[in-house]
Amino acid sequence: GENVEQHPSTLSVQEGDSAVIKCTYSDSASNYFPWYKQELGKRPQLIIDIRSNVGEKKDQRIAVTLNKTAKHFSLHITETQPEDSAVYFCAARGSSGSARQLTFGSGTQLTVLP
Amino acid sequence: DVKVTQSSRYLVKRTGEKVFLECVQDMDHENMFWYRQDPGLGLRLIYFSYDVKMKEKGDIPEGYSVSREKKERFSLILESASTNQTSMYLCATSGTSGGREFFGPGTRLTVL
Repeated sequence: GENVEQHPSTLSVQEGDSAVIKCTYSDSASNYFPWYKQELGKRPQLIIDIRSNVGEKKDQRIAVTLNKTAKHFSLHITETQPEDSAVYFCAARGSSGSARQLTFGSGTQLTVLP
Repeated sequence: DVKVTQSSRYLVKRTGEKVFLECVQDMDHENMFWYRQDPGLGLRLIYFSYDVKMKEKGDIPEGYSVSREKKERFSLILESASTNQTSMYLCATSGTSGGREFFGPGTRLTVL
């Protein structure tokens, strides 16, 4: 099945700086890559996603890039703010089985220092 | 907007008890999922269902079972709870195309 690795596990940045979180996946046929943000005590919420036919997608201060050849994708947050502090999860949808489920990375705790 | 609810936010049970966690969604989604979330391990899939009375094992099904008698409701069952099942349990749903997943608020289960 699919395997997703996420790095780093913790990340601290100064307010206003950029943050980058990276994930690799194992199934070359995976075609959907979402990113979720989970604030303390709350449920994970989708913040951005990308499909395998696109190399980059942006939404205001956040962007995701996908390199299918290398099988990795990254989340970029620019001009970080304290409210960006949260745990971020990447995920990938593989092609085996019913191909309906996501495989998640282990998460990155992002702390934005004021 | 999709609403996914779980029966309890916090639950405390004793070792050996049978535990039921229930998830209800109001968006007519075909796919429903149960995850457990543990620090440093991310979200691990326990079971999922893509239709009424259908179920498939995820990555960590041991010690758990599920039931989906109605499309909107997906139950996770711990037949005999053990202390290593103390965790946060999250339910999620997605539509037929298997796009984004919508999560419930989670149930923090403690097994003493």
